[in-house]
Amino acid sequence: NAGVMQNPRHLVRRRGQEARLRCSPMKGHSHVYWYRQLPEEGLKFMVYLQKENIIDESGMPKERFSAEFPKEGPSILRIQQVVRGDSAAYFCASSQRQGLDEQFFGPGTRLTVL
Amino acid sequence: AQSVSQHNHHVILSEAASLELGCNYSYGGTVNLFWYVQYPGQHLQLLLKYFSGDPLVKGIKGFEAEFIKSKFSFNLRKPSVQWSDTAEYFCAVIPTSGTYKYIFGTGTRLKVLA
Repeated sequence: NAGVMQNPRHLVRRRGQEARLRCSPMKGHSHVYWYRQLPEEGLKFMVYLQKENIIDESGMPKERFSAEFPKEGPSILRIQQVVRGDSAAYFCASSQRQGLDEQFFGPGTRLTVL
Repeated sequence: AQSVSQHNHHVILSEAASLELGCNYSYGGTVNLFWYVQYPGQHLQLLLKYFSGDPLVKGIKGFEAEFIKSKFSFNLRKPSVQWSDTAEYFCAVIPTSGTYKYIFGTGTRLKVLA
């Protein structure tokens, strides 16, 4: 009974490099959400995806950040040209249905930008 | 703006002490409420949730929470904590008006001394 899987768990990048964070939702879940937790802050919504569609990316920075959830394979959160301020924990969650359905969270990826 | 406040950022207790973690939210409409826990190195797990009905909700591991609508509060309680309760606790709300974005508090780090 695998839960939400995220990899890598820890990622270190130098400024200007790209970071790719992967999320495999729970079996049977087609809704994926990404949240970011900056130091000393709560989790903040970034983007909501269904298979092959971005439903809501209102919480995602307009530049350098992108997300996808292809028909096959995990959801990817991509950060181009990382800066120190991108250092954070990035959590993925999935749900079976949209809306008020409980979201199940992965362990997170801790990104450190040197 | 919608927000969730957790006033205690760090709490240290001895085993067998009673626990109460505060959570207040700011939103004019109806919400569903959640408490999540993150044990060291693990993913966020749902402790309990309130959608409707009895405002006193019982969750896993002996935790309970009480929804007081007039105070916009959803405090988490446990009568006697154990060392294994050492974790970070997050309060979250979702407005029932068709959204899917969890609004999280900043979290409370609980340390229980053996």
